[in-house]
Amino acid sequence: QVQLKESGPGLVQPSQTLSLTCTVSGFSLTSYNVHWVRQPTGKGLEWMGVIWTGGSTDYNSALKSRLSISRDTSKSQVFLKMNSLQTEDIATYYCAREGVLGWYFDFWGPGTMVTVSS
Amino acid sequence: DIQMTQSPSSMSASLGDTVTINCLASQDIGNYLSWYQQKPGKSPKLMIYGATNLEDGVPSRFSGSRSGSDYSLTINSLGYDDEGIYHCHQYYEYPPTFGGGTKLELK
Repeated sequence: QVQLKESGPGLVQPSQTLSLTCTVSGFSLTSYNVHWVRQPTGKGLEWMGVIWTGGSTDYNSALKSRLSISRDTSKSQVFLKMNSLQTEDIATYYCAREGVLGWYFDFWGPGTMVTVSS
Repeated sequence: DIQMTQSPSSMSASLGDTVTINCLASQDIGNYLSWYQQKPGKSPKLMIYGATNLEDGVPSRFSGSRSGSDYSLTINSLGYDDEGIYHCHQYYEYPPTFGGGTKLELK
């Protein structure tokens, strides 16, 4: 069955780089696009970026200068790196699979909480 | 970016009620709208896509509709399992954007 799971450090120091991994199963990264979405506690959802089946990427313009998404298809993993982290980046980070019939998200990982603190 | 204005931000209803949550798009998005249900501490769950299409496994008590740039999620015969936060999401153009969420509680 389709599964996604995020992993990474729960605590990042201010101005440092966040590195997260999304490990997927039940589908191929060359057949489905995978997105990153984040949610500050008690707030709404914010789309961060996508890695397309062909390996190219698109990013939210508000994060583009700090964000990088890549993948290792052989390991079924998608990576997120975001630098210069600040307290505004405290959130739960989700990876999500894009649906078959459009750019909605049909499967999500459970999310990983990231705190920024020294 | 397309703004999605969701209302109400919170609501309380009784068991068996019918409730409607609304989302207004700042520009035309066609039927490129989805709805998600999110329970505390959990990730969002797809309920509706294409404005009106029920995701597999979602009870038929849930339905989506559209009137121009106004989109609605209706839940009939409300049950305790329907409590949570509901998010609308436009995927007509990039970047995809979400509404602010509606917190639904049962009395």
